[in-house]
Amino acid sequence: GQQVMQIPQYQHVQEGEDFTTYCNSSTTLSNIQWYKQRPGGHPVFLIQLVKSGEVKKQKRLTFQFGEAKKNSSLHITATQTTDVGTYFCATGTASKLTFGTGTRLQVTL
Amino acid sequence: ETGVTQTPRHLVMGMTNKKSLKCEQHLGHNAMYWYKQSAKKPLELMFVYSLEERVENNSVPSRFSPECPNSSHLFLHLHTLQPEDSALYLCASSPRLAPGGEQFFGPGTRLTVL
Repeated sequence: GQQVMQIPQYQHVQEGEDFTTYCNSSTTLSNIQWYKQRPGGHPVFLIQLVKSGEVKKQKRLTFQFGEAKKNSSLHITATQTTDVGTYFCATGTASKLTFGTGTRLQVTL
Repeated sequence: ETGVTQTPRHLVMGMTNKKSLKCEQHLGHNAMYWYKQSAKKPLELMFVYSLEERVENNSVPSRFSPECPNSSHLFLHLHTLQPEDSALYLCASSPRLAPGGEQFFGPGTRLTVL
């Protein structure tokens, strides 16, 4: 089945610094989704990308899908303490969603 | 958020016990899912139901038995579990079974097997 690798596994930043997590696959992906899971919480959908080279923005968050549709990134500009959590990428086929290993983000003042 | 609810939120059980996890979605969705989330592991898909029919069974041990009596309810029956089955069990739903598409997760049941 499809597998997606995420890096880094963990990142600790000072509030105001930028943060990026990367999702990579050895195969072409039909779509990529991003989820955020706060500590003690459950995954919450952020966005889905389907087109080659697609870029979408949500306030301080920028999502990209690679031209070859084998990688994706999530960039947060000027992190805030509310950004703390684990960010997962996921890719869907007909009946299943395969999740990456996640990147845990810690933000300190 | 009350779209997908799960009970109980926490469960401690012995290896010889039988218990059930319940999931209910109030979103009118046709597909429901069980996931297992263990520390330092990706979310693992366990079962997928579409319109009450099981369409995916991801090589899950038979000590986990799902049941979907209608499109709003999903159960996970547990019996003779092992300590390594301790994890967060998440239920999710989506409007339909299709490539991609947002999944809505419940709060999860934190299971501890002694």
